[in-house]
Amino acid sequence: SQTIHQWPATLVQPVGSPLSLECTVEGTSNPNLYWYRQAAGRGLQLLFYSVGIGQISSEVPQNLSASRPQDRQFILSSKKLLLSDSGFYLCAWSTTGNTIYFGEGSWLTVV
Amino acid sequence: DAKTTQPPSMDCAEGRAANLPCNHSTISGNEYVYWYRQIHSQGPQYIIHGLKNNETNEMASLIITEDRKSSTLILPHATLRDTAVYYCIVRVAGVSSGSARQLTFGSGTQLTVLP
Repeated sequence: SQTIHQWPATLVQPVGSPLSLECTVEGTSNPNLYWYRQAAGRGLQLLFYSVGIGQISSEVPQNLSASRPQDRQFILSSKKLLLSDSGFYLCAWSTTGNTIYFGEGSWLTVV
Repeated sequence: DAKTTQPPSMDCAEGRAANLPCNHSTISGNEYVYWYRQIHSQGPQYIIHGLKNNETNEMASLIITEDRKSSTLILPHATLRDTAVYYCIVRVAGVSSGSARQLTFGSGTQLTVLP
């Protein structure tokens, strides 16, 4: 069966520091991969979308970037965090079955 | 504009069926109805989805009205672990960014299962 893992689960970072959130999917090949951010009011915003290695679509211009160095690995990064980057970040995947499955989420607090 | 409307909260007795309604009166012919749930501080969990026929899996049943303007998620025997926020979403088929963008999660319904 397919599984998705993302880490770290929680982190507290100072303003101006770098960020790296990592996500891996097991049990499937060539998945579509996504990074979402969930705001405090529970709204979900699509940040990045990838259909293959090295192919990244950015949905919202911001202080973040994404990379996909391997088929089932998706990384969310920032060179310098802002206070507004705080939130709950979710990695997700899908295949031709259309359903999107989410990871456990990562809580980021920028202080 | 919100594409779905759900009651903000519901209670259900443990062991009883939980019936969660959702209105989606502006749903398009190519849009599916999806249900997810989210327990606080965890990632959303996929439950079930359907186009126009009723669907059932090991977690729940989905009843879609004939005109597709509303649906009901049924948890047949609710347990305390089913306490969560339940989200009803409509989105087009396929794996395009547009389809992924539709996964916005509004306010949902806070289901509380009571012992």
